[in-house]
Amino acid sequence: KQEVTQIPAALSVPEGENLVLNCSFTDSAIYNLQWFRQDPGKGLTSLLLIQSSQREQTSGRLNASLDKSSGRSTLYIAASQPGDSATYLCAVLGPLSGTYKYIFGTGTRLKVLA
Amino acid sequence: DVKVTQSSRYLVKRTGEKVFLECVQDMDHENMFWYRQDPGLGLRLIYFSYDVKMKEKGDIPEGYSVSREKKERFSLILESASTNQTSMYLCASSWGADTQYFGPGTRLTVL
Repeated sequence: KQEVTQIPAALSVPEGENLVLNCSFTDSAIYNLQWFRQDPGKGLTSLLLIQSSQREQTSGRLNASLDKSSGRSTLYIAASQPGDSATYLCAVLGPLSGTYKYIFGTGTRLKVLA
Repeated sequence: DVKVTQSSRYLVKRTGEKVFLECVQDMDHENMFWYRQDPGLGLRLIYFSYDVKMKEKGDIPEGYSVSREKKERFSLILESASTNQTSMYLCASSWGADTQYFGPGTRLTVL
């Protein structure tokens, strides 16, 4: 059974710092991995999707990497800003009973201090 | 832009009531999903649908049913609401194994 873990559960950093959020998964047979952002009381917004054949994806100040063999992904946020404060979730998609199901981590709650 | 809308942002119901949550997407996505999100437990899949009238149970289907009569619409039904179904409910849609797009969520409180 696939399990997804995100450590730390919460993180506080001063504005301007570069930071790394971690995601690990137990079964390397995945189709893709997706990083989401969730603001309090809101739905999830997709940030980056990495296909299983890719090593990384970049969007603006965000860079996500994927190492399937070790079951790890990292989300790198450059020059963090207070507006980056949110919960970040990763989710993996893999074959299960012949259909597609995403398994989510419980998230890292990020606070960027001005 | 992909848009996923949910019928209510906040809902308060009484124990035993039948509750309908509706989700509509405008991108002709084949897959639609219902999750619930609880503190410390993360997102858990209730049901998903990969085509009209097709559905599969997720990890926690007990106490819920779903309906997908049209491609753009996916409804979650609580047959007899209970207090342990108080939660944030999130709908999502996707095309194949592509990006999942989420609605804004419905915070349901069952008294």
